[in-house]
Amino acid sequence: DGGITQSPKYLFRKEGQNVTLSCEQNLNHDAMYWYRQDPGQGLRLIYYSQIVNDFQKGDIAEGYSVSREKKESFPLTVTSAQKNPTAFYLCASSSGTGSGRRTEAFFGQGTRLTVV
Amino acid sequence: SQQGEEDPQALSIQEGENATMNCSYKTSINNLQWYRQNSGRGLVHLILIRSNEREKHSGRLRVTLDTSKKSSSLLITASRAADTASYFCATVAGGGNKLTFGTGTQLKVEL
Repeated sequence: DGGITQSPKYLFRKEGQNVTLSCEQNLNHDAMYWYRQDPGQGLRLIYYSQIVNDFQKGDIAEGYSVSREKKESFPLTVTSAQKNPTAFYLCASSSGTGSGRRTEAFFGQGTRLTVV
Repeated sequence: SQQGEEDPQALSIQEGENATMNCSYKTSINNLQWYRQNSGRGLVHLILIRSNEREKHSGRLRVTLDTSKKSSSLLITASRAADTASYFCATVAGGGNKLTFGTGTQLKVEL
């Protein structure tokens, strides 16, 4: 069945390490997003991609990197430059661009990253 | 930056009562959406209202939009314990799909 899958569910990182969070969707959506959520707070946009091989920085892109080589996949790398990476990371997708686009987002179940 | 604020931050009611949450935003929008998040899970889309609409219903949900005040409200009628969750508003502005979220309201419905 269709959906958006994030893995792993829990991830532990040592200080100074890079880690990559996976996000895959089989909804045939053009747009994909990464959000960060801190306890008791809303979602802040890290990066988004409207189409394959293109992506833009969101509000808090520093210390993160992404790629969009395939329509289905939008992995997020949390680099050692991110000073406070412990958070809940959510990936989302929405269909299409242009006049017929639907902007409702479908979310994965999240990855909880902890620095140890 | 986040688009706006939600009010109240937390709300506790008894089952069967109505719950009202408010969302304010800062810029002109194309549409406003409400999402629900159960603890530790992803968000689920509830309802979308376009900038030229004033009210929309879906089951026990009623959403209003006042673009002159840059505000929206979500009403959940006849609440149930299963409605316990965090509720977020999100806006879409400009020509893209980018969603900008508010800070959320934590709703607790007690038996």
